[in-house]
Amino acid sequence: AQSVTQPDIHITVSEGASLELRCNYSYGATPYLFWYVQSPGQGLQLLLKYFSGDTLVQGIKGFEAEFKRSQSSFNLRKPSVHWSDAAEYFCAVTAPSNTGKLIFGQGTTLQVKP
Amino acid sequence: DGGITQSPKYLFRKEGQNVTLSCEQNLNHDAMYWYRQDPGQGLRLIYYSQIVNDFQKGDIAEGYSVSREKKESFPLTVTSAQKNPTAFYLCASSKKAGTLNTEAFFGQGTRLTVV
Repeated sequence: AQSVTQPDIHITVSEGASLELRCNYSYGATPYLFWYVQSPGQGLQLLLKYFSGDTLVQGIKGFEAEFKRSQSSFNLRKPSVHWSDAAEYFCAVTAPSNTGKLIFGQGTTLQVKP
Repeated sequence: DGGITQSPKYLFRKEGQNVTLSCEQNLNHDAMYWYRQDPGQGLRLIYYSQIVNDFQKGDIAEGYSVSREKKESFPLTVTSAQKNPTAFYLCASSKKAGTLNTEAFFGQGTRLTVV
C-alpha cells in the first residue's frame, strides 16, 4: 500500500541549530515528492518539491531536501533554524498523473527554543 | 492575485444538520480536492474532481457530498450521516491531470465544530 511515514511526531531544536525532518515513503512507481508547512489554523504552504533530475532540491525559507531512491526517503534540512520556523511540517507523495491526489505523512511539529 | 478561497473560516453546526463549505479558485485549474485534517493524522482525501460535472470518492467519502457545476467552485456538504464531523477542512486545486511538473495549491481552511 502507498504510504508516507514521518517518524518524528514532535521535534525541539534551539534557535540557530541545524534541523533534519525525516520522511520515508512506500510507493509503486517514482512519485512526485513534496514538503508543506502549516502554521496553526492556516492552510498548507509548499516548501519544496521533487519531480525529477537533481536529487537535492532547494526550497523557500532556506530549506532543502534530498531524494534518496535507495532508501525511499525525502528528508528535509535547514542549516540554521529561526524561531519563525516553528510550525507543523508535512511530507507528501503523489503520482505524476494526478498531482493533487496526495498521500500525506502524519506531520512533524517543530518547536524552536530561544 | 490568483488563489483559493475557502469560506467561512469557522463554522458551527448542530448535530443532525447538514452544512456546506465553500471553495472557489481563480487559478484556472481543472482539478479540485477536499481534505480533512485531524490532529496527529495528517490529511486525508475526501473527494476530488478532475473536470466539471465529474467527481470521485477519496479515502473517507462517507457522510460527505460534493458538486462541480463550475470550474471555479467545488463545495463540500457535510451531512448528518458523518459520524464525527468536527475537523479542519482544506480545499486544494491543481492543473489538469497528467500535467507534468506541477503541484497542488491549498486554501486557508475551514474549521468545523459540531455543537
